[in-house]
Amino acid sequence: DSGVTQTPKHLITATGQRVTLRCSPRSGDLSVYWYQQSLDQGLQFLIQYYNGEERAKGNILERFSAQQFPDLHSELNLSSLELGDSALYFCASSVGGAGGFGGETQYFGPGTRLLVL
Amino acid sequence: KNEVEQSPQNLTAQEGEFITINCSYSVGISALHWLQQHPGGGIVSLFMLSSGKKKHGRLIATINIQEKHSSLHITASHPRDSAVYICAVHYTGNQFYFGTGTSLTVIP
Repeated sequence: DSGVTQTPKHLITATGQRVTLRCSPRSGDLSVYWYQQSLDQGLQFLIQYYNGEERAKGNILERFSAQQFPDLHSELNLSSLELGDSALYFCASSVGGAGGFGGETQYFGPGTRLLVL
Repeated sequence: KNEVEQSPQNLTAQEGEFITINCSYSVGISALHWLQQHPGGGIVSLFMLSSGKKKHGRLIATINIQEKHSSLHITASHPRDSAVYICAVHYTGNQFYFGTGTSLTVIP
């Protein structure tokens, strides 16, 4: 158990809909990272937040947005869903990451499996 | 430009064998990570390297910055090592790219 929690575990929805994925980092960790893992694209980095502020941005679509709240939990919002958004969404956390990540071990949550029908 | 290449893509080994998984990247990096993804989907970070070598139990990770290459070694492999091993690099400019993974099966 990494100490990172994600809800929900599974999500089934329809095209065009909007969903929110939630992540609670390990106690004391200030950074949260979001990743998408699909069958055709593999793992991709989406976005990083550090202590409430966006720190690094990867291949995140404009239809997707994220935020980190004062209690450090984070939410990833996916809107106007398409079939191709079906994937496993992971969040991870690390202690620091003020300068962007790369130099720290990340602890991964169990993931949210999203199926868009 | 930011490709991360892993080899082999699939690997089957007998229990007890020494295993090597390779990762190559194309430009200068800040750090390289080795991740393990279990059959159930969970991901565990094994190592984070910026230079040299690290060891944890039966796992050893090395990186050669000049050759832009890293290896993950598993000594005395065991069926519980069966998983997908993923190399990820942090490029300067705060971008993070993943290899396609190596699927390892260790047969008793």
